[in-house]
Amino acid sequence: GQQLNQSPQSMFIQEGEDVSMNCTSSSIFNTWLWYKQDPGEGPVLLIALYKAGELTSNGRLTAQFGITRKDSFLNISASIPSDVGIYFCAGKGGTYKYIFGTGTRLKVLA
Amino acid sequence: DTAVSQTPKYLVTQMGNDKSIKCEQNLGHDTMYWYKQDSKKFLKIMFSYNNKELIINETVPNRFSPKSPDKAHLNLHINSLELGDSAVYFCASSQDQPRQSYEQYFGPGTRLTVT
Repeated sequence: GQQLNQSPQSMFIQEGEDVSMNCTSSSIFNTWLWYKQDPGEGPVLLIALYKAGELTSNGRLTAQFGITRKDSFLNISASIPSDVGIYFCAGKGGTYKYIFGTGTRLKVLA
Repeated sequence: DTAVSQTPKYLVTQMGNDKSIKCEQNLGHDTMYWYKQDSKKFLKIMFSYNNKELIINETVPNRFSPKSPDKAHLNLHINSLELGDSAVYFCASSQDQPRQSYEQYFGPGTRLTVT
């Protein structure tokens, strides 16, 4: 099945640093979603984007819907230990279907 | 106030058995989904239902049979379980209309282990 490419696959950062990750697709999407998954839990929705070029924030998180509609970006500012987890992007690929990215595993060093 | 709930949280069973996982959402959404997450954490859609009707079946073996008794429930029954069925299964829901609310919410997952 189709999956979106996320980069980087994993990253170690120092507490307090800013984090950037992205998600790319060969297809156009009309909606992008960003999720965080903690161990043993389900993905939790962080940000939803509905328009090309849209920039949306949720606390220290900022996400952007790429102009080409084939990519999206997530930034985390001033990372803290509880930011650890797996971050997934998802594109809405047609009615009733979401395609998920391969995930970015974030580890924060205190 | 759990939005999307699943039971059981853990399921350990032997090959060849039949098992069910239940899902309920109290968000008033019209669309529900089942996903499978493998050991590499890849999330793959299995089924989606809109207003109790099957919309997407992503080449899932017919040993997997979803059932939606009403808009708030989507259960997954698996026959003749195989070792490769071991994974975490997530239920999710969304409201497909109006367009402005395509947010999809996940349940806590059911970790299925087939021995």
